[in-house]
Amino acid sequence: NAGVTQTPKFRVLKTGQSMTLLCAQDMNHEYMYWYRQDPGMGLRLIHYSVGEGTTAKGEVPDGYNVSRLKKQNFLLGLESAAPSQTSVYFCASSSRQGNSPLHFGNGTRLTVT
Amino acid sequence: SQQGEEDPQALSIQEGENATMNCSYKTSINNLQWYRQNSGRGLVHLILIRSNEREKHSGRLRVTLDTSKKSSSLLITASRAADTASYFCAAVGGANNLFFGTGTRLTVIP
Repeated sequence: NAGVTQTPKFRVLKTGQSMTLLCAQDMNHEYMYWYRQDPGMGLRLIHYSVGEGTTAKGEVPDGYNVSRLKKQNFLLGLESAAPSQTSVYFCASSSRQGNSPLHFGNGTRLTVT
Repeated sequence: SQQGEEDPQALSIQEGENATMNCSYKTSINNLQWYRQNSGRGLVHLILIRSNEREKHSGRLRVTLDTSKKSSSLLITASRAADTASYFCAAVGGANNLFFGTGTRLTVIP
């Protein structure tokens, strides 16, 4: 099993450009999450989904949108990138919310210039 | 915020020694989880301890939880060079989302 796969692995954007990060999981998990990781800040929850067709805001949702059209995929969109969105983005999934481990992808390193 | 906070921020030990990392959190929790992150990779789940448990073991890992002090500790015994990584605690509260701390960077010197 591949687990959680994130694409792309690296991306450089100019301020104002848009992009979509893709997360795919093959574990049939209901719950999926997007986190960002910044030095000294730990991981912060951006958005999450409790099932196909659902999305919800996390701690730091501003500037991001998400969609969960298929159970196995969770997309994170940046409509107009800003330098403050330079970060490493991690997708994760779990079988239950809160009471089971998160399975993480290997991250997307995004730089906005 | 229910964010966990790890202490120390960095720890350097010799191979074979034990490593202890601490985590404090702010509000009541359902459970607390520990993760490891190797450089350039995603986080890997190590252990989950529920709010009604006080201690849990998994191989060379021992986790304790003190809900009265809102703290947890992770002990890695007989450390190996391969244990070099960052370790994060994540507090899980009523909303059932995980709030991560800033991590402890562990270096095990061969």
